[in-house]
Amino acid sequence: EAGVAQSPRYKIIEKRQSVAFWCNPISGHATLYWYQQILGQGPKLLIQFQNNGVVDDSQLPKDRFSAERLKGVDSTLKIQPAKLEDSAVYLCASSLSRYQETQYFGPGTRLLVL
Amino acid sequence: GNSVTQMEGPVTLSEEAFLTINCTYTATGYPSLFWYVQYPGEGLQLLLKATKADDKGSNKGFEATYRKETTSFHLEKGSVQVSDSAVYFCALSLANAGGTSYGKLTFGQGTILTVHP
Repeated sequence: EAGVAQSPRYKIIEKRQSVAFWCNPISGHATLYWYQQILGQGPKLLIQFQNNGVVDDSQLPKDRFSAERLKGVDSTLKIQPAKLEDSAVYLCASSLSRYQETQYFGPGTRLLVL
Repeated sequence: GNSVTQMEGPVTLSEEAFLTINCTYTATGYPSLFWYVQYPGEGLQLLLKATKADDKGSNKGFEATYRKETTSFHLEKGSVQVSDSAVYFCALSLANAGGTSYGKLTFGQGTILTVHP
């Protein structure tokens, strides 16, 4: 069974530029999560999807971050414009459903904003 | 709000030493508790979990017991190996009274473990 796929693995941009990250969850997993992990901290949930609907986006900075999962499968997270404090690892995870506790994580995308 | 606090790291041990990584939590409702591990260059993996008070989660020689009276979920291993070197995260998710999870994980800050031969 293929795991959660993410791309790119690394990205370096300058502040005020835009960037997008892609995630493909495990096949059949209805729930998809995006987490932000700042160096030295634990991951923090940005947004949770159930199929193509948003369950929780309370900690997503909506003035600059957006995410979509149009067909209920893969997902894109965008930052526009980026700030220095957005430098972090962006983790995607998936689970069979929002009621299934085990989440499977991808390798993450490491973003550096200069 | 809900939060998880892990012991300050990093932790450095010799092979075959005993490991304890402390984790305490604050939560409303009925939390499930988890330990995730992140090996160098890899993604987070679930190590073990416990869904109710006094449950013990175990995997790969690691154990943790859900202690509601002390709001703790300390990770232990009797004899660590070099291959256990990784970052360990304690986490919780809330559930309803029937034990159905709401999904969202709240993580601690992580503890770096280095094991020397």
